[in-house]
Amino acid sequence: AQRVTQPEKLLSVFKGAPVELKCNYSYSGSPELFWYVQYSRQRLQLLLRHISRESIKGFTADLNKGETSFHLKKPFAQEEDSAMYYCALIPATDSWGKFQFGAGTQVVVTP
Amino acid sequence: GAVVSQHPSWVICKSGTSVKIECRSLDFQATTMFWYRQFPKQSLMLMATSNEGSKATYEQGVEKDKFLINHASLTLSTLTVTSAHPEDSSFYICSASYLRGTEAFFGQGTRLTVV
Repeated sequence: AQRVTQPEKLLSVFKGAPVELKCNYSYSGSPELFWYVQYSRQRLQLLLRHISRESIKGFTADLNKGETSFHLKKPFAQEEDSAMYYCALIPATDSWGKFQFGAGTQVVVTP
Repeated sequence: GAVVSQHPSWVICKSGTSVKIECRSLDFQATTMFWYRQFPKQSLMLMATSNEGSKATYEQGVEKDKFLINHASLTLSTLTVTSAHPEDSSFYICSASYLRGTEAFFGQGTRLTVV
């Protein structure tokens, strides 16, 4: 079965410190990986998609197929990064938009 | 960016009654929409795929007679929770994308409380 694992429920970091959110997945094919963010009282919004290889709001994520990981990183956390972050997967052969979400990691950035 | 809107944002209903939640794509047509459920402090769980003009497909363990989905137009999918019970209380979220391979947009969610 497909599975997305985010081992950290909560990450508390100081402003300016690096932050890394871990995500591991299990899937036998070649899935598409995403990071979604949910700010307080707002809807889910796309942060990163592995095939785009972009840096959004200073965040980057590298897909490591050997380790089946898609960790999210930012070198210098900002207070506005405080939010819930979800790693998600779409199986390549399945319907587009049919996400499998990880449990989520709450990031709290303190001044 | 494109917008997906849900209505209502929150609803309280009595046990045994039915409640309808709407999901609209405001500026694009979506042949497929998805319904998720989120319990407090938990992740989103896919419930079903809503297909325009045909029957919805439900994930394993989701009661299709309990959660009726209708996708009558390219911009509207509805989720009806029938004979609601307190355990159906949850946050229901829909999503849609314009085309395969393009960004999926999520609704703001609907908080259902069954009393």
